[in-house]
Amino acid sequence: AQSVTQLDSHVSVSEGTPVLLRCNYSSSYSPSLFWYVQHPNKGLQLLLKYTSAATLVKGINGFEAEFKKSETSFHLTKPSAHMSDAAEYFCVVSDRRGSARQLTFGSGTQLTVLP
Amino acid sequence: DSGVTQTPKHLITATGQRVTLRCSPRSGDLSVYWYQQSLDQGLQFLIQYYNGEERAKGNILERFSAQQFPDLHSELNLSSLELGDSALYFCASRAGRGSGNTIYFGEGSWLTVV
Repeated sequence: AQSVTQLDSHVSVSEGTPVLLRCNYSSSYSPSLFWYVQHPNKGLQLLLKYTSAATLVKGINGFEAEFKKSETSFHLTKPSAHMSDAAEYFCVVSDRRGSARQLTFGSGTQLTVLP
Repeated sequence: DSGVTQTPKHLITATGQRVTLRCSPRSGDLSVYWYQQSLDQGLQFLIQYYNGEERAKGNILERFSAQQFPDLHSELNLSSLELGDSALYFCASRAGRGSGNTIYFGEGSWLTVV
């Protein structure tokens, strides 16, 4: 069975400092991994995805994530936080169970950016 | 804009009532997923359809049902509503096999049961 653990429920950073949101996963198969962002009262927006190509994935708004199979991790980073990055971030693993492709969501990390 | 359209955006209804939430997937996407997001339970997978057929079922209550129509739009029907059904309901879509695994979400339908 697949599972996703977001290690921090809340992260606070100062504007201009690096962001690190941690995600560990378990999956029986070669998974696809995603990060989604949800701004208040908005839907889920795709930030980036890993689908077995390059292990370092670049996404929108300056975010990156590195797939580390040995550590079963897919941490999200950004060199310099911006106020507009304040939102909730979800790590998602997708793999196939039988004929269906299933998504499993992490519990989310709320990112606060301090001025 | 993800290309996934959900209506209505907001809905307030009374306990015991029935509502229908509608989802139009991205053009050509064959899979539709429904999720419920509530404050206490986070994002919960409800059900998935692929090209009109139910493909996977998650934590969907018996009072809830869904279907995907030939034009690929989907509806989620919620009946005998309870206060605890108040949540944000997301629809997501994905292209068919071989077209990548990216799933795109709509903006959600806010349901408030009073």
